[in-house]
Amino acid sequence: EAGVAQSPRYKIIEKRQSVAFWCNPISGHATLYWYQQILGQGPKLLIQFQNNGVVDDSQLPKDRFSAERLKGVDSTLKIQPAKLEDSAVYLCASRTTGQVTYEQYFGPGTRLTVT
Amino acid sequence: SQQGEEDPQALSIQEGENATMNCSYKTSINNLQWYRQNSGRGLVHLILIRSNEREKHSGRLRVTLDTSKKSSSLLITASRAADTASYFCAPWNYGQNFVFGPGTRLSVLP
Repeated sequence: EAGVAQSPRYKIIEKRQSVAFWCNPISGHATLYWYQQILGQGPKLLIQFQNNGVVDDSQLPKDRFSAERLKGVDSTLKIQPAKLEDSAVYLCASRTTGQVTYEQYFGPGTRLTVT
Repeated sequence: SQQGEEDPQALSIQEGENATMNCSYKTSINNLQWYRQNSGRGLVHLILIRSNEREKHSGRLRVTLDTSKKSSSLLITASRAADTASYFCAPWNYGQNFVFGPGTRLSVLP
């Protein structure tokens, strides 16, 4: 079974530029998450999708962050414009809906550096 | 959602020694999961213990759960250099999402 795929793995941009990250979850996983992990901290949930609908985006800074999962499979997270404090690793995770244990499968992450 | 608080924040041991890290949480749970994160990688699920279980083993991992104290511990026996990573606990109940704490950073020295 292929794991969660993310690209790019690394990205360096200047502040006020825009950036987009892509995630392809494990096949058949209806639930998809985006997390932000700042150095030295645990991952912080940004948004949760169930198929192509948003379940929880309460911690997504909506003035600059947006995410979509149009066909209920892969997803894109965008930041526009980026700030220095957005420097972090952005992790995508997925799980099956019918799973009662709530185990999540994580991708390798995209490391964003904003200069 | 509730956050698991790992303790200690950092731990250094010699190869071959055992490593113990703890997790505390505040409200009732259905299960508690432990995840590992190697440097530059995503999180990997290690082990899950349900609220009606007190102890669980998986290879060199031993997890305990004390629901009366709202705490869990993860023991890694005979540590290897490859165990060097950050470890996160994730207490979970229905309808909740994970809230990760800062984790325990384990360094296994050769």
